[in-house]
Order: sequence, then structure tokens, then C-alpha cells
Amino acid sequence: SQKIEQNSEALNIQEGKTATLTCNYTNYSPAYLQWYRQDPGRGPVFLLLIRENEKEKRKERLKVTFDTTLKQSLFHITASQPADSATYLCALDMGQAGTALIFGKGTTLSVSS
Amino acid sequence: GAVVSQHPSWVICKSGTSVKIECRSLDFQATTMFWYRQFPKQSLMLMATSNEGSKATYEQGVEKDKFLINHASLTLSTLTVTSAHPEDSSFYICSASSGSGQPQHFGDGTRLSIL
Repeated sequence: SQKIEQNSEALNIQEGKTATLTCNYTNYSPAYLQWYRQDPGRGPVFLLLIRENEKEKRKERLKVTFDTTLKQSLFHITASQPADSATYLCALDMGQAGTALIFGKGTTLSVSS
Repeated sequence: GAVVSQHPSWVICKSGTSVKIECRSLDFQATTMFWYRQFPKQSLMLMATSNEGSKATYEQGVEKDKFLINHASLTLSTLTVTSAHPEDSSFYICSASSGSGQPQHFGDGTRLSIL
């Protein structure tokens, strides 16, 4: 069966550390993988997109990797801050126009000072 | 960046009422918009895909007569929850896409509470 899983429901880390979030999928072949941030009571906000032929993408303190062999994406936040506390969603983009993203359940990150 | 405006942000109404939620893409033309429902601590559940000028495509288990979707222009899609009941209480979110391989832009959601 097809599945997308974000392995940790919750992740607690100390300020300044690197947070690493995992997204695994089964029986999908996405063309892209996207990461979003969602704060309580708000809609998701786009963070990063990585293509199937890209290994790594960076944006400021964020880094995403995409391993199509392992069927896994890792999302890293370096030098984490309390303001990074939120739920992070990974989403599969199958590369077909007009088709919805397939979202994982999310990992709720808490960064303590 | 692109902005999607969703209105209202919060609705409380009596059982049996119909509620309309609007989703507008403010600075780009969205041929496709998506409607999601989200329960606490759950992921986004796709309800339907809304294409401008054509009928919406509903996901399995979503009643099309209960959740009416209209996408009359490239910047506006509406979701009407007809004869709402307490079990329809949820967080409804819309998004707009400018195509595959592009970010989706989400509204800020509508918290619907049916008494």
C-alpha cells in the first residue's frame, strides 16, 4: 500500500542544536518533495522544494535532502531557535498538473531556550 | 510571495445552517485550488480538487452534495457546507497552485464550529 510517514510525531531539542526531521514514503515515485511549516490555527507555509534529481537543497538555516533510493527526505534546521517551534509537514508532488500534494502527518518541533 | 486569502477565519453556527467559505488567490491566477479538512493533530485530508470553469473532483468518502464547491474564476473558489451538523466541525483550509513542481499557497484556514 502507499504510505507517507514522518517518523516522529514530536521532537524536542535545545536552542542552538540541529533539528533533523524524517519523511519516508512507500510505493510512490514523486517528482518533487516539498516541506511546509504549520503554526497552530494557521495554514501551512511553504519552505523548500527539492526535485527527484537533486540530492540536497539549502535555504538559510534549512537544508533538505532527497534520496529516491531510500525513499526518504531529511529536513534539517541548524542553530535552532524557539521561534522554529511549529509542525513541519512533508509533501509528495507527483509532478502532474492539477494534482494535489500528498501530505504526511507532520512532526511537531519544540525548541527550548 | 503569493498570497491566498480565506474568509471567514472563524464560524460558529447552529446545526442545519449552510456555511460558505471563500478562497481567493490575490496575486496570481490559480487554475487549480484544493480544499482540505484537518482534525486536531492530524494531517491535511484532501476533500476535493477545484478546477476553474469545471466541476470539482471529490475524494472518496466526501459527499459532493454536502460540500458544494464552485470555482467560477481564476482567483476565487468557494466551499459551501450545506445543512451543517456538529460532526462537520473542523478546520477547513484551501490552497492554490500555479502548477506541478511549484509551491502550494495556503489560506489561513476556517475554524468551523457547529452547535
